Amino acid sequence: AQKVTQAQTEISVVEKEDVTLDCVYETRDTTYYLFWYKQPPSGELVFLIRRNSFDEQNEISGRYSWNFQKSTSSFNFTITASQVVDSAVYFCALGSSNRDDKIIFGKGTRLHILP
Amino acid sequence: EAGVTQFPSHSVIEKGQTVTLRCDPISGHDNLYWYRRVMGKEIKFLLHFVKESKQDESGMPNNRFLAERTGGTYSTLKVQPAELEDSGVYFCASSQFPGTGELFFGEGSRLTVL
Repeated sequence: AQKVTQAQTEISVVEKEDVTLDCVYETRDTTYYLFWYKQPPSGELVFLIRRNSFDEQNEISGRYSWNFQKSTSSFNFTITASQVVDSAVYFCALGSSNRDDKIIFGKGTRLHILP
Repeated sequence: EAGVTQFPSHSVIEKGQTVTLRCDPISGHDNLYWYRRVMGKEIKFLLHFVKESKQDESGMPNNRFLAERTGGTYSTLKVQPAELEDSGVYFCASSQFPGTGELFFGEGSRLTVL
């Protein structure tokens, strides 16, 4: 069965601090995709990243970085020098290339960046 | 190129009323998905269309929910009669090549049932 666990329900940090959001996944598929989405207070889902299971390279995009560790089935997300605008709910998700694009979401981590 | 569009962005109705949500996928995308996030919980899959056919509707909560995609273009999701627990954000997504992970989400339709 596929499963995504985001153990951190809610995190609060002071602006400019770094923060890491954890994501652990379970799957029996050999090829799969991992995603991070952001849901700001306005409600829409903002796509952040999609990572193929074959590509374990870490990625950096501005203040955002992702650490994919297949050995521990983790796909953690770090925001460096956090800003108030980063406040949102962040979802980690898992999809399989063996099926359709039915993806499984974690329960989300609510991030509060305090000014 | 237009993205996935959803209408309405926000709907407020009373318990027992009917609401219809609409999703226009990206042109050429045969695959259309509905997801929803009820308050404070995870985003859950509702169903998947391939063109006008329901490929997987295992996530539909009950028979108060009816999804259609006549002609294989836009899709509607009707809730009748709406209950309080139906409140949440309903997301639509589309993809052209399933299994590639290239899934595009709309901005969601927020439903509030009073």
